[in-house]
Amino acid sequence: NAGVMQNPRHLVRRRGQEARLRCSPMKGHSHVYWYRQLPEEGLKFMVYLQKENIIDESGMPKERFSAEFPKEGPSILRIQQVVRGDSAAYFCASSSQGSGYEQYFGPGTRLTVT
Amino acid sequence: QQPVQSPQAVILREGEDAVINCSSSKALYSVHWYRQKHGEAPVFLMILLKGGEQKGHEKISASFNEKKQQSSLYLTASQLSYSGTYFCGSGEGGSEKLVFGKGTKLTVNP
Repeated sequence: NAGVMQNPRHLVRRRGQEARLRCSPMKGHSHVYWYRQLPEEGLKFMVYLQKENIIDESGMPKERFSAEFPKEGPSILRIQQVVRGDSAAYFCASSSQGSGYEQYFGPGTRLTVT
Repeated sequence: QQPVQSPQAVILREGEDAVINCSSSKALYSVHWYRQKHGEAPVFLMILLKGGEQKGHEKISASFNEKKQQSSLYLTASQLSYSGTYFCGSGEGGSEKLVFGKGTKLTVNP
């Protein structure tokens, strides 16, 4: 059973460009979570999605950030007009059900903004 | 509310034991434990849901106290492969998101 897949693994963007991060959950999982991790820090929740629905986006900045999980295809986290402060590792996790169930993490996308 | 982990860091020799604590000022719905090695994804260890629950996974086990405000992770007879940063994540009653502590860095030396 393939695990959570993320791509690209590394992404370099200049300030002002757009970053698109993709996440394919584990087979059979319909719940996707995005977390951000700064160097030497813990994971910070950003957004929780189910197919075609954003359930909780309380951790996502109001501007420049958006997320989707379409009926077909991977979940996408989009960051518009990136700034240096967006440089971080972005992890997605998936679970078979929601609250109280284990979340499995993908390998992450390391975004560097130059 | 972010759970508090202690200690922040611990250094062991192979074969020694360690305890990592995760506490909150309010009752938690669940506690999730993960281990992350440098540059890698967090790896799920175990989840505890009930007050008083204890779970084991080979030489790694965890407990959740009766009031569900503290969880402890026990590593016995540590191996070199146990090195990494351990995070606890709290699920907060009905919310599917996890709020993670700042982590405990564990180093096991030969």
